[in-house]
Amino acid sequence: LAKTTQPISMDSYEGQEVNITCSHNNIATNDYITWYQQFPSQGPRFIIQGYKTKVTNEVASLFIPADRKSSTLSLPRVSLSDTAVYYCLVGPDYKLSFGAGTTVTVRA
Amino acid sequence: NAGVTQTPKFQVLKTGQSMTLQCAQDMNHNSMYWYRQDPGMGLRLIYYSASEGTTDKGEVPNGYNVSRLNKREFSLRLESAAPSQTSVYFCASRAGTGDEQYFGPGTRLTVT
Repeated sequence: LAKTTQPISMDSYEGQEVNITCSHNNIATNDYITWYQQFPSQGPRFIIQGYKTKVTNEVASLFIPADRKSSTLSLPRVSLSDTAVYYCLVGPDYKLSFGAGTTVTVRA
Repeated sequence: NAGVTQTPKFQVLKTGQSMTLQCAQDMNHNSMYWYRQDPGMGLRLIYYSASEGTTDKGEVPNGYNVSRLNKREFSLRLESAAPSQTSVYFCASRAGTGDEQYFGPGTRLTVT
């Protein structure tokens, strides 16, 4: 299973763009990169998934370089409600455990 | 659609007691999962069921058993609860490999 590394925490202010980079050096050819968001006392929620290049939806963008050894989740113009833990997962495999994730704190 | 539902929401057990956590999904998903989340930690996979009739161990299966009762329901049993099993338990489901997971609201379990 591809191991992922992401920052423990990040601070930002309302209206700024937040970029979280995840490293996954041993990603396999058939692995997808998926990001989840978790608010306190709730289960994680799917944000975005990609395989290569760039994916964008109404919530975020995901940038994946050609070598796929890292990926960057971009949250545009964050608000206080974007304060959460963000998890990067790699692989289609069933045996996915979530790491500690990145705690993003948005301040007014 | 209710999505993924879990019962109970809260439970307090004494060491050595047993209990079953219930999970059900109404999305006709093939795969179902049980995770535990300790304070300040990520989610660790306990057991999963890739399809009806199959179950497999995840990262931390010791002290737990599971039953995939039918396509909708996946239960987690603690036969003899220990304080180390104090945690929040999440159930999740997804349609198939590579699809997004949908999570339930969680069960907060305390073992004294």
